[in-house]
Amino acid sequence: NAGVMQNPRHLVRRRGQEARLRCSPMKGHSHVYWYRQLPEEGLKFMVYLQKENIIDESGMPKERFSAEFPKEGPSILRIQQVVRGDSAAYFCASSLDSRNYGYTFGSGTRLTVV
Amino acid sequence: AQTVTQSQPEMSVQEAETVTLSCTYDTSESNYYLFWYKQPPSRQMILVIRQEAYKQQNATENRFSVNFQKAAKSFSLKISDSQLGDTAMYFCALALQGGSEKLVFGKGTKLTVNP
Repeated sequence: NAGVMQNPRHLVRRRGQEARLRCSPMKGHSHVYWYRQLPEEGLKFMVYLQKENIIDESGMPKERFSAEFPKEGPSILRIQQVVRGDSAAYFCASSLDSRNYGYTFGSGTRLTVV
Repeated sequence: AQTVTQSQPEMSVQEAETVTLSCTYDTSESNYYLFWYKQPPSRQMILVIRQEAYKQQNATENRFSVNFQKAAKSFSLKISDSQLGDTAMYFCALALQGGSEKLVFGKGTKLTVNP
């Protein structure tokens, strides 16, 4: 069981480019959560997805950010036209269902916007 | 809205000694879960311990235990027999039961275990 896999581990983008962050949940897990960690801060919730559905996106910025979790393949967090303020570590967590609170986190993707 | 507060940005302890990390939270809900996560320099988020709010008994995992005071909305973590590998950021988090189960995190406490 490979755990939650996130790639890339590090991503550098120039201002205005697009960033695509990938998350493969643990085998059998159908619930995916994305969090953002700014320097010297705790993790902040962004979005909660189940297969093909966005359940809660209350933490997502209204513009430039989107997330999907297709029937096949990894969950994708997409940031369009990145700005320096988007520089952060982005974490994905998965769980088996919505009631056991058994989240497993990936190692995160550190995005640097130059 | 839920909030989690960790009032100690940094702490240090000598190897083999005991240290307690503080956490307070605020929620108007009665059913929730509380967590302590460890984040070493590798950046991996590792679950240390979990407490269901409806359980009065404090959770324990080997050298890690919590002091859960529901009325005071306090959830401190005690690490006994500290080891060098315990050096990390420690985050307290809360999740409401029955909602989207998202975690609300505190800002963290940086713990250094000295030899």
